[in-house]
Amino acid sequence: SQQGEEDPQALSIQEGENATMNCSYKTSINNLQWYRQNSGRGLVHLILIRSNEREKHSGRLRVTLDTSKKSSSLLITASRAADTASYFCATDALNQAGTALIFGKGTTLSVSS
Amino acid sequence: KAGVTQTPRYLIKTRGQQVTLSCSPISGHRSVSWYQQTPGQGLQFLFEYFSETQRNKGNFPGRFSGRQFSNSRSEMNVSTLELGDSALYLCASSKPTATNEKLFFGSGTQLSVL
Repeated sequence: SQQGEEDPQALSIQEGENATMNCSYKTSINNLQWYRQNSGRGLVHLILIRSNEREKHSGRLRVTLDTSKKSSSLLITASRAADTASYFCATDALNQAGTALIFGKGTTLSVSS
Repeated sequence: KAGVTQTPRYLIKTRGQQVTLSCSPISGHRSVSWYQQTPGQGLQFLFEYFSETQRNKGNFPGRFSGRQFSNSRSEMNVSTLELGDSALYLCASSKPTATNEKLFFGSGTQLSVL
């Protein structure tokens, strides 16, 4: 079964607004990552947050991680039409060697101008 | 620096056939992972290869197999295709020796099984 579950499944906003997506997972992790996918294409890595970090920023992106609640959120500020895409959280497994990530089913973000 | 290259981009097969997909990782990346993406199941991990050895394996039947060559290029094979194997197959590579680091994805191979 999938470890990460995103919420909401779909989100529609206007340009300039903020978009918040949430992710929950089930087991202990080393880190959590967020990826973006434009329709039918490969995924692009956005940000990685380690289990001992609580918040991380990258440009207009802000990610939080709460390991006690096994949850993370991705905030995109001042959204643009180009941010329209699907967003996935991905987790590894604690003490697992290698890069076998477990992805959630994603949040589809639509930003209209 | 060239990205992850997957070939072919699109593939149409019929039930019972077999298929081989190819992936060339970013130069210097020794880990290659494969994922299957479908509307119903989402992204699911197939397997990961590192230095020609399978390091991790997902929960897929034995019809799904892969290998990695000495130049880090990887192939995955699906035998006796079923309708449910229709999916976008994504390959990803990551840096040498790094574990649990970010993945660089190719554009995928869209497989349709008729």
